[in-house]
Amino acid sequence: QVTLRESGPALVKPTQTLTLTCTFSGFSLSTSGMCVSWIRQPPGKALEWLARIDWDDDKYYSTSLKTRLTISKDTSKNQVVLTMTNMDPVDTATYYCARCIAAAGGEDYWGQGTLVTVSS
Amino acid sequence: QSVLTQPPSASGTPGQRVTISCSGSSSNIGSNTVNWYQQLPGTAPKLLIYSNNQRPSGVPDRFSGSKSGTSASLAISGLQSEDEADYYCAAWDDSLNGSWVFGGGTKLTVL
Repeated sequence: QVTLRESGPALVKPTQTLTLTCTFSGFSLSTSGMCVSWIRQPPGKALEWLARIDWDDDKYYSTSLKTRLTISKDTSKNQVVLTMTNMDPVDTATYYCARCIAAAGGEDYWGQGTLVTVSS
Repeated sequence: QSVLTQPPSASGTPGQRVTISCSGSSSNIGSNTVNWYQQLPGTAPKLLIYSNNQRPSGVPDRFSGSKSGTSASLAISGLQSEDEADYYCAAWDDSLNGSWVFGGGTKLTVL
């Protein structure tokens, strides 16, 4: 079955760079049409889409955050990594990774999420 | 401020039919398909509807989606207590280099 798990620091300081890893199983990111997205949700607030990487290494970023985000994949390890630079307290949120199918749209399998707090 | 506009709340009694709207623009809903997600308290979102009106396997047919112009709607018929959740719409936005955008979410209360 398809599973995804996010990992990374629970606490980062302002101005630091956040690195999150999504480790997945049950599908391959080398399969045509597959993709992995990152979405976040500040406490008590709405979902915010961050980035997506496709099987062919095409990458897409949130318009408002693109200068701070980098997404990459390691197909051999079944991992997708998201880095976000210059972290700020407003970036405190639960960060989710999710599988998507590029043609159909929509994230059909989600990780449980990881809460990242930005504080000095 | 979310790019897609949803009502912050909606409510209904068991058995009723409720609809949740999602308003966008020509660069997102007007030219791309819409997805809907359900988020139960304390859990990750779940894909409810994709490509405007398609249900993933396992989603009851009580849930349906539609789109017209720059707006979309999610309808839930035969409302059940377990439907109490937050609901989000999402669409690809063609502006600038393109990105997915979400609505602000609608909290559905089953009275």
